[in-house]
Amino acid sequence: NAGVTQTPKFQVLKTGQSMTLQCAQDMNHNSMYWYRQDPGMGLRLIYYSASEGTTDKGEVPNGYNVSRLNKREFSLRLESAAPSQTSVYFCASSEWGGSNQPQHFGDGTRLSIL
Amino acid sequence: QKEVEQNSGPLSVPEGAIASLNCTYSDRVSQSFFWYRQYSGKSPELIMSIYSNGDKEDGRFTAQLNKASQYVSLLIRDSQPSDSATYLCAVNMEYNFNKFYFGSGTKLNVKP
Repeated sequence: NAGVTQTPKFQVLKTGQSMTLQCAQDMNHNSMYWYRQDPGMGLRLIYYSASEGTTDKGEVPNGYNVSRLNKREFSLRLESAAPSQTSVYFCASSEWGGSNQPQHFGDGTRLSIL
Repeated sequence: QKEVEQNSGPLSVPEGAIASLNCTYSDRVSQSFFWYRQYSGKSPELIMSIYSNGDKEDGRFTAQLNKASQYVSLLIRDSQPSDSATYLCAVNMEYNFNKFYFGSGTKLNVKP
């Protein structure tokens, strides 16, 4: 059982380049999330999708776009990468966005922008 | 003011001791509370969740919630070197269960 799969695991970009981070879950979960984790900052929510067909901004959405392609897949796009977006990105999913629903995390994408 | 505050540590305890990790939160409408463990270079994994005031026990772990004082804690009994990790506190809000706020984490070192 793969759980939450993120690709790629590592990526180096130049300032101004674009790229899409991919996330897929095989647990039939309704809700999916994108976080970034910076040293000393904990996890910060970028965007989330409460259900297929919906997306909403989180705490730090500027510079990112997302697409909920279907129930399984939720992608994060950087249109014009900036050094401030160097971070570890985690995708997560939960069965539904209820108060007692834990999140299951992927292994992360380590992104460096030069 | 950050939504969720944790002491960054490191917190060092000897093997077999009780480790006590604390978390405070600022929003009184916080609904649910979660403790995640994160090993270096790995993704967070859920340890416990708690929604009501009081204690909740699961094996060696006990979560404690006090909504009046706006804090949640995690006790790890009989600490093992394998418990050495960063522990993240997370809360979500009554008005939007999808918005989770994480603390910056407390690094725990359990010394053999």
